[in-house]
Amino acid sequence: TQLLEQSPQFLSIQEGENLTVYCNSSSVFSSLQWYRQEPGEGPVLLVTVVTGGEVKKLKRLTFQFGDARKDSSLHITAAQPGDTGLYLCAGPPPGGGADGLTFGKGTHLIIQP
Amino acid sequence: NAGVTQTPKFQVLKTGQSMTLQCAQDMNHNSMYWYRQDPGMGLRLIYYSASEGTTDKGEVPNGYNVSRLNKREFSLRLESAAPSQTSVYFCASSEDWGSGELFFGEGSRLTVL
Repeated sequence: TQLLEQSPQFLSIQEGENLTVYCNSSSVFSSLQWYRQEPGEGPVLLVTVVTGGEVKKLKRLTFQFGDARKDSSLHITAAQPGDTGLYLCAGPPPGGGADGLTFGKGTHLIIQP
Repeated sequence: NAGVTQTPKFQVLKTGQSMTLQCAQDMNHNSMYWYRQDPGMGLRLIYYSASEGTTDKGEVPNGYNVSRLNKREFSLRLESAAPSQTSVYFCASSEDWGSGELFFGEGSRLTVL
């Protein structure tokens, strides 16, 4: 059972369009992180959300943590080809434990010029 | 500003051969990790080292061994490679165990024939 479910799995849109990708769980997380991974590279942290209901903005990217801390979303406004990549959400295992971050399977995003 | 450096970037092995993936970080981080990334499976933790001198199993440790050589270096060894170990391997580090942000290397693509 995947603790963090990401949707959609794949998304291909035109430059200039808006999009939202989701990270959902049936468990409560103390925090969630979003990473972006470009082809041939390792994931790079974009943001960490900690407080239920929190909204963080990073230029054209808006991240929201659900009130119940079970889900998060990433909204991109006016997508650009440079936004292409694999977007991963991750969080520490609910209830603690020594297994490090658990990752979702990711959303593959392609922005076509 | 190297961050996390992995070698080699690419490797092809025959079934039964052994090899070691090397990882070094220059950020004075205490914790280091080895993940594997497979299509449709996401990132899965193989082994981790919460601090120098300690190592622990993650989600998928079978067929692997690790050594935390010193604070900077954390190696992953495949004693007898199997086709199921064909994957992209990522080393990562964080300031402390559970401190949040993971810094990843560029990955090592391993093919076992």
